[in-house]
Amino acid sequence: GAVVSQHPSRVICKSGTSVKIECRSLDFQATTMFWYRQFPKQSLMLMATSNEGSKATYEQGVEKDKFLINHASLTLSTLTVTSAHPEDSSFYICSARVFVGGSWGYTFGSGTRLTVV
Amino acid sequence: AQRVTQPEKLLSVFKGAPVELKCNYSYSGSPELFWYVQYSRQRLQLLLRHISRESIKGFTADLNKGETSFHLKKPFAQEEDSAMYYCALRRNNAGNMLTFGGGTRLMVKP
Repeated sequence: GAVVSQHPSRVICKSGTSVKIECRSLDFQATTMFWYRQFPKQSLMLMATSNEGSKATYEQGVEKDKFLINHASLTLSTLTVTSAHPEDSSFYICSARVFVGGSWGYTFGSGTRLTVV
Repeated sequence: AQRVTQPEKLLSVFKGAPVELKCNYSYSGSPELFWYVQYSRQRLQLLLRHISRESIKGFTADLNKGETSFHLKKPFAQEEDSAMYYCALRRNNAGNMLTFGGGTRLMVKP
């Protein structure tokens, strides 16, 4: 249980276009989801926290107008990279906060590798 | 601000050897510590958390508040343990976010 489905797994787009990444909780309701970015051979860096029905909270240095996050339902959060540039190429991972085994934990999506050409 | 440090980017051991992946943290409050594992081409998954005090796949980790460490240990490494391991911290005051360490790649050689 507590599976998060992330799509697409890979996407290549042209510079200047926008890309949407979806993260769905399949068998639970996710009031809180997190979006991470991971550069090659580096750790996961939190970009933003999204709460269903409210505006996302962005970490320092993350442009909210460039990385649009929408969490309109309890099972879906989306990250849209607007006007993508090659430096936005990275691995993006979503995570949902989930109550399991009597405590709060986290379940992760399989990630999206974005390549901007 | 909180910080998680994994000093080793790569740890290579032979099958059957003991393994210890180091994790140190800095946080003024009482944190909750986790170890996550990422096998090749798979998503990140929880290995264990300090509040559970359990052993998963032979791995254990003890929170040492005096040394601010949460090292992951296994007495006899197996080839299938080869993966990326991330130590993570969650603050105890609101803020549900996790702060990750840089990760350690464990390679278990036959």
